[in-house]
Amino acid sequence: DQQVKQNSPSLSVQEGRISILNCDYTNSMFDYFLWYKKYPAEGPTFLISISSIKDKNEDGRFTVFLNKSAKHLSLHIVPSQPGDSAVYFCAASGSWETSYDKVIFGPGTSLSVIP
Amino acid sequence: GAGVSQSPSNKVTEKGKDVELRCDPISGHTALYWYRQSLGQGLEFLIYFQGNSAPDKSGLPSDRFSAERTGGSVSTLTIQRTQQEDSAVYLCASSPQGYRYNEQFFGPGTRLTVL
Repeated sequence: DQQVKQNSPSLSVQEGRISILNCDYTNSMFDYFLWYKKYPAEGPTFLISISSIKDKNEDGRFTVFLNKSAKHLSLHIVPSQPGDSAVYFCAASGSWETSYDKVIFGPGTSLSVIP
Repeated sequence: GAGVSQSPSNKVTEKGKDVELRCDPISGHTALYWYRQSLGQGLEFLIYFQGNSAPDKSGLPSDRFSAERTGGSVSTLTIQRTQQEDSAVYLCASSPQGYRYNEQFFGPGTRLTVL
């Protein structure tokens, strides 16, 4: 049973437009969330994170939104660039406070940004 | 480079053979993780080391899988009597501290193919 779900295996977006990648989780013990980006033949690299005490975190073109009541988070990329084409993994973890220290990754969403 | 390195980058083996996969974490990182990614799947957690000890081995799929870490640095993942379903990319990651919610730094992975 997947605890972290990314229901869109792939997404295509025109360059300059907004990309929205979605992630849903089921375990209420998760209270820290991360997004990783992966290019082919490389390991994932950390992109952005958010704690459950926040509902938004922004870093340049990347913004993560968290809706804790819906157990849903999303990553917004604005404007999208061809170099953003990659697989994006959502990950969820417990914090020291919850003592739930597993990190669970979602299956990933492959983003293609079309020039 | 100062990143996580893994060797070999590719390994082709015959069913029933044993394989060893190596991970060199970033110097000073006390936490080390092994994951695998099967074709079309997300990242599957295998094992987590804090220093030389492995407080969480819950992800190892069978007793054919084992891992060790020596000197708080290099780790080896061993798969005995390989099966075709073991074919996957095996990823290693490290982080500065032992808390799972910290950013993890991934290596490029070892692509294992079992014929």
